[in-house]
Amino acid sequence: SQTIHQWPATLVQPVGSPLSLECTVEGTSNPNLYWYRQAAGRGLQLLFYSVGIGQISSEVPQNLSASRPQDRQFILSSKKLLLSDSGFYLCAWSLLAGGADTQYFGPGTRLTVL
Amino acid sequence: AQSVAQPEDQVNVAEGNPLTVKCTYSVSGNPYLFWYVQYPNRGLQFLLKYITGDNLVKGSYGFEAEFNKSQTSFHLKKPSALVSDSALYFCAAVDNYGQNFVFGPGTRLSVLP
Repeated sequence: SQTIHQWPATLVQPVGSPLSLECTVEGTSNPNLYWYRQAAGRGLQLLFYSVGIGQISSEVPQNLSASRPQDRQFILSSKKLLLSDSGFYLCAWSLLAGGADTQYFGPGTRLTVL
Repeated sequence: AQSVAQPEDQVNVAEGNPLTVKCTYSVSGNPYLFWYVQYPNRGLQFLLKYITGDNLVKGSYGFEAEFNKSQTSFHLKKPSALVSDSALYFCAAVDNYGQNFVFGPGTRLSVLP
């Protein structure tokens, strides 16, 4: 069966510091991968998605970036964090790009920028 | 632009009573529709989806949802609510071209003992 991991689970970082969040998927090949941010425990904002290694699409311009160095690894990064980057970051995977395919979510990373 | 609306921020229901969480969508073509649940500080869990066929879809934990094309709705229902159903519920939709997977803003369900 497929599983998705995210780490760290929680992170507290000062403003201006760098960020690296990691997401890995097990039990499947060539998944589509997604990064979402959830602010204030409500709506989800799609940040990035990837259909393959090195292929990243950005949905919202901001100081975050994403990379996919391996088939089942998706990394969210920032060179300098802002207060507004605080939130709950969720990684998801699906077998098909959009369409009728279900997205399956990881446990999330709670980021607090102070 | 495609969108999903969940008109109620909060739904309160007594344990044992039926519950409904509402969702309406605006998606071009024939939509694919999903419901997810999120417990505090956890990721989203998939509950059910509608692709085609029977308008009544059954999912996990006794939940079901009814697709109504004329009303562009996909309401989530459960005949008898449990306190453990208290969580945040998200409706989502994507068009049949596989583009623009859109989530609703979420509805917080509280089941009171």
